[in-house]
Amino acid sequence: QVQLQESGPGLVKPSQTLSLTCTVSGGSINSGTYYWTWIRQHPGKGLEWIGYIYYSGSTYYKPSLKSRLTMSLDMSKNQFSLKLSSVTAADTAVYYCARYRLSGENIDYWGQGTLVTVSS
Amino acid sequence: DIVMTQSPDSLAVSLGERAAINCKSSQSVLYSSNNKNYLGWFQQKPGQPPKLLIYWASTRESGVPDRFSGSGSGTDFTLTISSLQAEDVALYYCQQYYITPYTFGQGTKLEIK
Repeated sequence: QVQLQESGPGLVKPSQTLSLTCTVSGGSINSGTYYWTWIRQHPGKGLEWIGYIYYSGSTYYKPSLKSRLTMSLDMSKNQFSLKLSSVTAADTAVYYCARYRLSGENIDYWGQGTLVTVSS
Repeated sequence: DIVMTQSPDSLAVSLGERAAINCKSSQSVLYSSNNKNYLGWFQQKPGQPPKLLIYWASTRESGVPDRFSGSGSGTDFTLTISSLQAEDVALYYCQQYYITPYTFGQGTKLEIK
């Protein structure tokens, strides 16, 4: 059974960099079948697709976040990561990692989500 | 960006009754080359990640009860729960994955009347 688990600091100071890692078990990220995806949800709000990374290392970043966003893969640890720089309170959210099926069948697995609060 | 608008924002339905949630996209999400609508429906319960119910507008994800169905094409879509169960109380989101950035509706809160 595939599982995804986010990890990283729950509190980040304004202007610093938010760093999260998603560890995948039960399946390999070295697969051309999926986009490894990050989605966030501001407290009490809806869902925002941040971007994704493919096993080749190619990425898609939401344009409004592109200048601050970096995603990467660590095949040896079966992990993918997100870094969001120059954070503000507006980046406070639950961050989810997820597996998106390239077949067009959308997301099949999600992590449980991790709340990241931006505050001094 | 494609804007997804759901209606209503909240809905109260009696147990065993039918519930319907609508979703409208600001442009068509129908991919003409395969005649598929890149529209998904998710269910989210408190403290949990969203769960995919429907993809391609009308295909149920594996394991999803058949009381959930999706319909529509182009820009107008509906999620229908044929006979509401207590465990269906949740937030429901539609989502387009036709064009990046993929976008979600604002959510519809479904409650028991």
